[in-house]
Amino acid sequence: DSGVTQTPKHLITATGQRVTLRCSPRSGDLSVYWYQQSLDQGLQFLIQYYNGEERAKGNILERFSAQQFPDLHSELNLSSLELGDSALYFCASSTGRESSGELFFGEGSRLTVL
Amino acid sequence: AQSVTQPDIHITVSEGASLELRCNYSYGATPYLFWYVQSPGQGLQLLLKYFSGDTLVQGIKGFEAEFKRSQSSFNLRKPSVHWSDAAEYFCAVGAGYGQNFVFGPGTRLSVLP
Repeated sequence: DSGVTQTPKHLITATGQRVTLRCSPRSGDLSVYWYQQSLDQGLQFLIQYYNGEERAKGNILERFSAQQFPDLHSELNLSSLELGDSALYFCASSTGRESSGELFFGEGSRLTVL
Repeated sequence: AQSVTQPDIHITVSEGASLELRCNYSYGATPYLFWYVQSPGQGLQLLLKYFSGDTLVQGIKGFEAEFKRSQSSFNLRKPSVHWSDAAEYFCAVGAGYGQNFVFGPGTRLSVLP
């Protein structure tokens, strides 16, 4: 158990819909990362937050947004969903602001868009 | 920007055999290097990491990796594979301050009984 909790574990929705994925980081970790894992794209970095502020942005679509709340949990919002958004979405956390440390991954939220 | 390649998409070994998974990176300075393992239905777990110092690093579950600067490689090894090692293995490079992890495409390991 990494200590990172993601909900929901599975989600099935339709094209055009909007979903929210939630992540609770490991106790004491200030950084939260979001990754998308799909068969054709592999593991893609989406975005990082540190202590409530956006720290780094990767290949995140404009239809996607995220935030980190004062209690350090994070949410990833996916809107106007397309079939190609079907993937496993991972949240990871780490202690520091920089990315040179170890990441602790949640078990992921599997999104299926029909 | 840094990048990572893992030349082998899928490797099959027999239980008890030795294992080497290849990883090559591209980065202008000394990178931070990592190997993660993903078991089916699970998130990624860190096996080992290299920041500096001894180029041979030991990890969990009996894995080790060697950093070779001249070859820009960080190959993962295990002398004797167990059936429970069947999983997906990801090499990753972190460039340090202000940069983020870049993961390789992964190598899927199958273990024959």
